[in-house]
Amino acid sequence: QKEVEQNSGPLSVPEGAIASLNCTYSDRGSQSFFWYRQYSGKSPELIMFIYSNGDKEDGRFTAQLNKASQYVSLLIRDSQPSDSATYLCAVGRAGKSTFGDGTTLTVKP
Amino acid sequence: EPEVTQTPSHQVTQMGQEVILRCVPISNHLYFYWYRQILGQKVEFLVSFYNNEISEKSEIFDDQFSVERPDGSNFTLKIRSTKLEDSAMYFCASSVRQEGEQYFGPGTRLTVT
Repeated sequence: QKEVEQNSGPLSVPEGAIASLNCTYSDRGSQSFFWYRQYSGKSPELIMFIYSNGDKEDGRFTAQLNKASQYVSLLIRDSQPSDSATYLCAVGRAGKSTFGDGTTLTVKP
Repeated sequence: EPEVTQTPSHQVTQMGQEVILRCVPISNHLYFYWYRQILGQKVEFLVSFYNNEISEKSEIFDDQFSVERPDGSNFTLKIRSTKLEDSAMYFCASSVRQEGEQYFGPGTRLTVT
């Protein structure tokens, strides 16, 4: 079992739709949860972080965490073509972040 | 907005040579990290550093790797004798606290020939 598993892509949504990205993790001791966006050839850019169970909203982005189910998700509302990128889920414990393989999102105009 | 910087952006070296990758973390951050990403693969943790000591390291971070904070601003990763399989993007990151948000630099592309 992978330490951090993301739903396999690629994911394609029309402009204006909601994109849903999912991630599960194996380490129950994980304490911090991050979503990064990575454009091709660029470094990961932090877009959301969450530490407690529940939802966290920031603009068009909502992160959801369920520690009992070891599940974290990212919703992108009103998706734009500029949101097309690879989204990386990262799970942290004692400062070490473990990344998933990423899900590639394409938003079609 | 403060950001992590890295130099050089691209380093080409011959197998067996030593390389030093440099990073300037965000100024009020206390925790520093190195990650690598082989082309087409996921981001992998190498090492974390706090208070002039290694906090955590992965299996990848073997004896050929070392990290140092030589002064109050720079954070370096040294690879003593590079191998072909060390070719990758190397990212530096920093955070205010141990479980805090990590902000990544633009990366150094290392090519070993």
